[in-house]
Amino acid sequence: GENVEQHPSTLSVQEGDSAVIKCTYSDSASNYFPWYKQELGKRPQLIIDIRSNVGEKKDQRIAVTLNKTAKHFSLHITETQPEDSAVYFCAASRGGADGLTFGKGTHLIIQP
Amino acid sequence: EADIYQTPRYLVIGTGKKITLECSQTMGHDKMYWYQQDPGMELHLIHYSYGVNSTEKGDLSSESTVSRIRTEHFPLTLESARPSHTSQYLCASQSSGNTIYFGEGSWLTVV
Repeated sequence: GENVEQHPSTLSVQEGDSAVIKCTYSDSASNYFPWYKQELGKRPQLIIDIRSNVGEKKDQRIAVTLNKTAKHFSLHITETQPEDSAVYFCAASRGGADGLTFGKGTHLIIQP
Repeated sequence: EADIYQTPRYLVIGTGKKITLECSQTMGHDKMYWYQQDPGMELHLIHYSYGVNSTEKGDLSSESTVSRIRTEHFPLTLESARPSHTSQYLCASQSSGNTIYFGEGSWLTVV
């Protein structure tokens, strides 16, 4: 089955700096890669996703890049703000009837 | 409004009690999940369902059971609660585009 590794487990950045979270996956048939944000005491919510026919996708301050050859994908947050502090989960799926395999999460801390 | 609803949100029960956590979704999704998550930690899949009358065990061994009699409902039952079951339980459903939507969670404390 699919295995998703996520790094780092904790990331502390100064407000205004950029943050990058990286994930690798094992199943070359995976073709859907979402990112979820979970604020303290809240449910995880989808913030951005990418499919295997695209190398990069942006939405305002967040972007995701995918390298299918190397089987890794990354979340980039620019101009970080205090409200970006949360736990971020990456995931991978082969689509169809398959569910998502989640990484173990990254605690992102934005230092004022 | 289309969403996924969980009840109760918070529950404190005694050891040995039976508890059912309710989950319902109004999005018409076939695939549903239950995850167990300690605060800020990884998501552990404990059960999932492809649709009505389908239930499967997930990656994390669990002493709970689930049922799927209707598309909208996917309740989770603990026959005999133990302190080790203290955790947050997240119900989720999956769209045809593979997006997973989570409920707000049920926080269970077993004393």
